[in-house]
Amino acid sequence: DIQMSQSPSSVSASVGDRVTITCRASQGISSWLAWYQQKPGKAPKLLIYAASSLQSGVPSRFSGSGSGTDFTLTISSLQPEDFATYYCQQANSFPPTFGQGTKVEIK
Amino acid sequence: QITLKESGPTLVKPTQTLTLTCTFSGFSLSTSGVGVGWIRQPPGKALEWLALIYWDDDKRYSPSLKSRLTITKDTSKNQVVLTMTNMDPVDTATYYCAHRAVGGDFIYWGQGALVTVSS
Repeated sequence: DIQMSQSPSSVSASVGDRVTITCRASQGISSWLAWYQQKPGKAPKLLIYAASSLQSGVPSRFSGSGSGTDFTLTISSLQPEDFATYYCQQANSFPPTFGQGTKVEIK
Repeated sequence: QITLKESGPTLVKPTQTLTLTCTFSGFSLSTSGVGVGWIRQPPGKALEWLALIYWDDDKRYSPSLKSRLTITKDTSKNQVVLTMTNMDPVDTATYYCAHRAVGGDFIYWGQGALVTVSS
């Protein structure tokens, strides 16, 4: 299985801050990476697919980059509704695997 | 509009078999490239992929759970069923079904079904 490792596990930030979350794959996955946002009691929501493609309806303050083993999710200006947990997921090979999550908390 | 909804028991006893049904609308599981998967999330923990079934009845399972899982589809009813045998308290989780895009990401998710395993 490909292991996905996210850092940090949590981050405290203020509204307006730029937030960056990193995801590292245990082996190369080209650009087969997705990012999800999950709020308490809700299902995950797809934000980014193919490492850098913004899912329809997702605000442009979210962006993704990277290829191979190292990927980044950036929120350019944190909004109140962005406080949530974020997961990466590799879609390169079976089984699909998720990172352990990064919780973005209010500072 | 694509929607999915999980249904099944909220409480199962250890050693019992869990059967969950995903009922979906807005797409057909007979369309080339389409898949429906199951993902679970123990309370306070990360997401874990369990199984996936494709339009052509190709089935994939988590290697660590493969011996306990069966996934089937009923295209006429727009349903996918997941069974998990020999349930244990560590299997307590919210179970989600999701529409899998051709690219491998899960765009549409059900609301989730919390299953508690306890005697």
